[in-house]
Amino acid sequence: NAGVTQTPKFRVLKTGQSMTLLCAQDMNHEYMYWYRQDPGMGLRLIHYSVGEGTTAKGEVPDGYNVSRLKKQNFLLGLESAAPSQTSVYFCASSSQIGGYTFGSGTRLTVV
Amino acid sequence: EDQVTQSPEALRLQEGESSSLNCSYTVSGLRGLFWYRQDPGKGPEFLFTLYSAGEEKEKERLKATLTKKESFLHITAPKPEDSATYLCAALPSGFQKLVFGTGTRLLVSP
Repeated sequence: NAGVTQTPKFRVLKTGQSMTLLCAQDMNHEYMYWYRQDPGMGLRLIHYSVGEGTTAKGEVPDGYNVSRLKKQNFLLGLESAAPSQTSVYFCASSSQIGGYTFGSGTRLTVV
Repeated sequence: EDQVTQSPEALRLQEGESSSLNCSYTVSGLRGLFWYRQDPGKGPEFLFTLYSAGEEKEKERLKATLTKKESFLHITAPKPEDSATYLCAALPSGFQKLVFGTGTRLLVSP
């Protein structure tokens, strides 16, 4: 029972490079989320999706894009990475009123 | 604005020394209050959901309670393996989008 799977687990990027983080869930959840977690700032919502083909901005969306072409997958893209995007990224999914199930995270360093 | 505040930021206990973590919330129409545990280098792990004032839930040495303004996570006779960051989150009315606190880092020494 995999739950929420994130890939990759670690990545180092140079400033200006692009990358995509992949999140996959096998619980048939409608809702999916991307968060970043920084020391002292807690979890901050980047983007979220209420269903296949839909996405919306969270509280810190600048510099990120997302896509949800399939219900089970939610992709987070960085078009031109900046050092300020160094963080730990978590994907989560949920049913309508249930608690979130989180992935194990992606630790991204931008140099 | 919806807001969740956790205190203390950090708590150090001796093994067996019971204590409580606080989560104060200000949200419009609370639909649920969630507690998570997060170990270093891992994603948050779901512990409890509370839906209405007066509700209590227990799991091993942990008990979560809810009032109209705050929630408490009581830890009874903690063990070193209870060391983790505990996150509280509130679900306001409207869309399914949790509001997280910044967490309490708990360290239990043997």
